[in-house]
Amino acid sequence: EVQLVESGGGLVQPGGSLSLSCAVSGFTFRTYWMHWVRQAPGKGLVWVSRINSDGSTTNYADSVKGRFTISRDNAKNTLYLQMNSLRAEDTAVYYCARGMSGSYAFDIWGQGTMVTVSS
Amino acid sequence: QSVLTQPPSVSGAPGQRVTISCTGSSSNIGAGYDVHWYQQLPGTAPKLLIYDNSNRPSGVPDRFSGSKSGTSVSLAITGLQAEDEADYYCQSYDSSLRRVFGGGTKLTVL
Repeated sequence: EVQLVESGGGLVQPGGSLSLSCAVSGFTFRTYWMHWVRQAPGKGLVWVSRINSDGSTTNYADSVKGRFTISRDNAKNTLYLQMNSLRAEDTAVYYCARGMSGSYAFDIWGQGTMVTVSS
Repeated sequence: QSVLTQPPSVSGAPGQRVTISCTGSSSNIGAGYDVHWYQQLPGTAPKLLIYDNSNRPSGVPDRFSGSKSGTSVSLAITGLQAEDEADYYCQSYDSSLRRVFGGGTKLTVL
């Protein structure tokens, strides 16, 4: 069964850091681009970042550029998101999602992990 | 402010047909990039509903269909059912190297 399982969410103070993980199973992780997408409470989906299959190229939304770092360990079938200098507006459910082969769609999503930035 | 524009809400009675529009700009949909649609049931993760404008992943009922003509994009749901009540999002690619979403449309089944 194809599965993405996020972890690492929680409560953090403004200015703090948090690291999210996304453990993957059921498919050949090293051949897919991967993404992080977030959803603030009661709001819509917002793309955050993506990484290519071997980890050599990354892209970020302007709102997180310079503060967040996406990475992956293909040997461990795990995707990461290091979040620094967190702000209240980063409060959201963070989903990892698989980039669909040959398309710009996201075909598999994790269940999400909640990040709350508050003092 | 989302890059793609969707109506905030639509509604329909069981058995009816509803459509949800998605409007972009010359840097995304207008540039010829494909549009994808997601269904998000309450309290759950999004699920891919339509990819590359009009293709359904395995397991998605044919009551759901997508179309794109020029810069006009829409999702149609026929034979509306109570279980279709959800938020629907369109998504595309932007020439700024980003994936972009619409703000979402809440479908209410009356």
